This record gives sequence, structure tokens and C-alpha cells, in this order.
Amino acid sequence: AQTVTQSQPEMSVQEAETVTLSCTYDTSESDYYLFWYKQPPSRQMILVIRQEAYKQQNATENRFSVNFQKAAKSFSLKISDSQLGDAAMYFCAYRRINNAGNMLTFGGGTRLMVKP
Amino acid sequence: DAMVIQNPRYQVTQFGKPVTLSCSQTLNHNVMYWYQQKSSQAPKLLFHYYDKDFNNEADTPDNFQSRRPNTSFCFLDIRSPGLGDAAMYLCATSRDLGPHIQYFGAGTRLSVL
Repeated sequence: AQTVTQSQPEMSVQEAETVTLSCTYDTSESDYYLFWYKQPPSRQMILVIRQEAYKQQNATENRFSVNFQKAAKSFSLKISDSQLGDAAMYFCAYRRINNAGNMLTFGGGTRLMVKP
Repeated sequence: DAMVIQNPRYQVTQFGKPVTLSCSQTLNHNVMYWYQQKSSQAPKLLFHYYDKDFNNEADTPDNFQSRRPNTSFCFLDIRSPGLGDAAMYLCATSRDLGPHIQYFGAGTRLSVL
């Protein structure tokens, strides 16, 4: 079974600084998807960024980028120029390619605090 | 312009008293999911519907049931809530099975007294 581990229960960053959230996973599959979801307090979870394992190039979405190390099974999220609105729980998630049910396996989450 | 809407946002029920949580979507997605999320934990999938086909996770307790009367609505029924069922319940949708993004509602926080 696949597992996803986020080793940092909480992180804090100063506004305008850069922070990196860690995620590791365990799988025997060669093709899969990885995601970072953001869950602000009392609001819905939204997709931040997605990475296909067969792509070597790291995904980027504006201030958000990932460092995908397939051999190390590592998938960290870098947030540049942190803003107060970035404060949230961040979940790393894994999905098998051949998963007819589109099931996501989530990590335990990292709570990010942004200091003004 | 919320796309996945969960009602109510907060629900209080008594131990053993049946409760129903609702989810509606304006995305016309085929798939709807229900997750349970306990405090500071990852969401745990309970079941999903693909159209009218119901798919239960192997470890979902029988106490949890679901109904999907039409494409837009899906309900989570907890027949006899226990104290351990207090959690946030998240509804999500995706356009289809396969590698499609899941869109989440804001959740319903259930308290059991």
C-alpha cells in the first residue's frame, strides 16, 4: 500500500520569505501523480499544484513550485514571497496512474503559519 | 460562486441519533466522494459514487451510508453516531474517474454529544 509522510506538523515563515514543505512517499509503482492541496481555516481544500511522475520537469504555479526527486521519493513544495493568505494546512497526496477510482492517499498535513 | 456546497457547516447531534449531511455541486461532475477528517489528520475516504454506482471503502463502518438521488446531490447518513464519529466531513467531486482533479466543499463539522 502506498503511504505519504509529511514530517513537519507545523512550519512558520515570515511574510515575503520563502518556505519549503517536505513530503515523502512510498510506492512500488513507476507512474503516478502527486499533489499539494491547501486547506485554509474553515474553507474548502483547493489544489495548489500537481506533478506527473513521468515528467522530469518540476511543476510550477506562480509562487508555488515543487522539487520532485523520483529516486528519493520526495516531493517538496516551495512557496516563494509568502503572503498572509498562504496560512493554511497543506496536504501532500498521491494517486496511482491506473486507479479507476481516482483515490487519493493523503499525508498527515503541515500547518503553515505566516508572520506579518 | 461555490461549486461544491455542503450543508450545514456545523451539525450537532446526540449519541445514537441519526444524522444526515448534504452535499451539492454545480459542476455536473460524475463522481462524488465523502471523506472523514479528524482533527489534525489527513482526510480518509469513506466511499464514492460514480454516477449511480456506489463504491464503499473496505474499512468504512456499516454505520455510514450514502445516497445520491441525482447528479447534483449526495448525502451522508450516519445511522447511530458515536463519540468517535465527531469529525469534519468533506465532500468532493471530480469530472470522471482517472486523473481528474478533485474539488472539495468547505466541509461539515459534526459534533456528537
